[in-house]
Amino acid sequence: ETGVTQTPRHLVMGMTNKKSLKCEQHLGHNAMYWYKQSAKKPLELMFVYNFKEQTENNSVPSRFSPECPNSSHLFLHLHTLQPEDSALYLCASSRGTGGQGTEAFFGQGTRLTVV
Amino acid sequence: QKEVEQNSGPLSVPEGAIASLNCTYSDRGSQSFFWYRQYSGKSPELIMSIYSNGDKEDGRFTAQLNKASQYVSLLIRDSQPSDSATYLCAVILGGFKTIFGAGTRLFVKA
Repeated sequence: ETGVTQTPRHLVMGMTNKKSLKCEQHLGHNAMYWYKQSAKKPLELMFVYNFKEQTENNSVPSRFSPECPNSSHLFLHLHTLQPEDSALYLCASSRGTGGQGTEAFFGQGTRLTVV
Repeated sequence: QKEVEQNSGPLSVPEGAIASLNCTYSDRGSQSFFWYRQYSGKSPELIMSIYSNGDKEDGRFTAQLNKASQYVSLLIRDSQPSDSATYLCAVILGGFKTIFGAGTRLFVKA
């Protein structure tokens, strides 16, 4: 256990559905991240939050909507997704976003399938 | 030029040998570098972090950093079949975002 918990672990949704992914960290970290990992592709950074403020949106389509109510919780709201959005979605947290001791620790991921 | 580059492999080494994994990065201002291991179907797991030029050793793992050459490497001594995984190099770019390379697949043959 890394101290970062993601739910659900698996999700199948239709293209017209709305669903949310949840991430919670128990490490006292200030920064949280969403990454997407598609088959045979590198990890893609989607969003970065530092002290609840979004500091990075890596040109992510608006059908993905992040929410960070506090430093311990991060959500990814999904709506009208496409089959190509099927991937492993990983949440991570770190003490900060730069400098020493800012290693990112990952949750177990949500395997998303869009049908 | 990609921000963080790695050879995709696969890299195949016999059990007991040294596995050498390499990574280059584009941002000269980067100060924080990490190696992660990812087993198939699992999330990345932190192995090593390095912030200063030179070598850093932790058990069978040694990370090497050369900021002038924008190069970071990972050596795995006495490789075991359980080391077979994808190894991801990660760099904090722009002072605030952790970017990953595509990863190198390592196979350790028993």
